[in-house]
Amino acid sequence: DAGVIQSPRHEVTEMGQEVTLRCKPISGHNSLFWYRQTMMRGLELLIYFNNNVPIDDSGMPEDRFSAKMPNASFSTLKIQPSEPRDSAVYFCASKGTGNTGELFFGEGSRLTVL
Amino acid sequence: AQSVTQLDSHVSVSEGTPVLLRCNYSSSYSPSLFWYVQHPNKGLQLLLKYTSAATLVKGINGFEAEFKKSETSFHLTKPSAHMSDAAEYFCVVSDGSTGGFKTIFGAGTRLFVKA
Repeated sequence: DAGVIQSPRHEVTEMGQEVTLRCKPISGHNSLFWYRQTMMRGLELLIYFNNNVPIDDSGMPEDRFSAKMPNASFSTLKIQPSEPRDSAVYFCASKGTGNTGELFFGEGSRLTVL
Repeated sequence: AQSVTQLDSHVSVSEGTPVLLRCNYSSSYSPSLFWYVQHPNKGLQLLLKYTSAATLVKGINGFEAEFKKSETSFHLTKPSAHMSDAAEYFCVVSDGSTGGFKTIFGAGTRLFVKA
């Protein structure tokens, strides 16, 4: 099992540019989560999907952020336009069926917006 | 509503001495509780989990945690710290109040291990 795969691992971009982060969950997992981690705010849940449907996006900071899950094996988190305060590490995690299952995290995408 | 509080933002121990990382939780339902570890520039890795079976849970790398319902606690311990244990540790609660989908992370405790 390859685990949760995120790309890119590192992204440096300029303010105003569009950023797309990608995630491939573990095969067979039906829940997918996007988190953001910063020194100031720690780990924040942005959005989660169940069976490809967004369940709760209340953690998405503003309309510049959007997330999609077109199928069970792929999700994107898009920031348009990006701002310096979006600089953070973005983690994707997936979980199997049942509410006792653990989350499996990817290695994260480190975003720097100049 | 569910919540989790990690009582210490930083803990410093000497190598070979015991580790105690404290966690209290609040949950309206029977919770599942987890401890995750994050080493620098890495993702989070599961250390151990409690899911209503034995109250003393053993995890990887010699860590264990005890679920105490009366105290609403799930403290993480290790008898003897190793330098490689230096990392950030997250206590996590998940319950059925939101269909089991929402998982709440504590703020994290950074563990320092002195030689």
